[in-house]
Amino acid sequence: DIQMTQSPSSVSASVGDRVTITCRASQGISSWLGWYQQKPGKAPKLLIYAASSLQSGVPSRFSGSGSGTDFTLTISSLQPEDSATFYCQQVDSFPVTFGQGTRLEI
Amino acid sequence: QLQLQESGPGLVNPSETLSLSCTVSGGSFSRSNLYWDWIRLPPGRGLEWIGSVSNSGSTSYSPSLKSRVTISVDTSKRQVSLKLSSVTAADTAVYYCARRWDISGWAHDYWGQGTLVAVSS
Repeated sequence: DIQMTQSPSSVSASVGDRVTITCRASQGISSWLGWYQQKPGKAPKLLIYAASSLQSGVPSRFSGSGSGTDFTLTISSLQPEDSATFYCQQVDSFPVTFGQGTRLEI
Repeated sequence: QLQLQESGPGLVNPSETLSLSCTVSGGSFSRSNLYWDWIRLPPGRGLEWIGSVSNSGSTSYSPSLKSRVTISVDTSKRQVSLKLSSVTAADTAVYYCARRWDISGWAHDYWGQGTLVAVSS
């Protein structure tokens, strides 16, 4: 299985800050990576697919980059509603695997 | 607008079989390069992919669950089913169904609201 490791595990930031979350795959996955935001009691929401493509309806302050084994999710200007847990996910090969999550506190 | 809705018992006895359904409304159900997946979120833990089924019935399962999981599809009813046998407390989780297809780079772009299943006697 491909292991996905996120860092940090948690982060606290203020409204307007720029935040970066990193995700490392245990082997190369090209650009087959997604980023999700999950709020308590809600289903995960797809933010970024194919490492850098913004999902329809997602605010442009969210962006993704990377390929191979190292990836980043950046939130350019934090908003209060961005408080959530964020997950990366590789879809390069089965089984699909997720990172352990990064909790973002505003 | 595509909608997914999970349904099934919220409480299952240990050693028995967990059975859930996911009903899909709106959108395409049977196109090529489209899969329906089950994913779970155990309390206090991260997301875990369970498995996947295509509209033709082709399946892929997580190796850690493969011996206990069956995922099937009924295109006439637009339903996807999950069966997980010999459950233990470790299978307590919120269970989600989700769409995965080539248009979204094989990521899960639509999810059901999730259904909590507790394993307890």
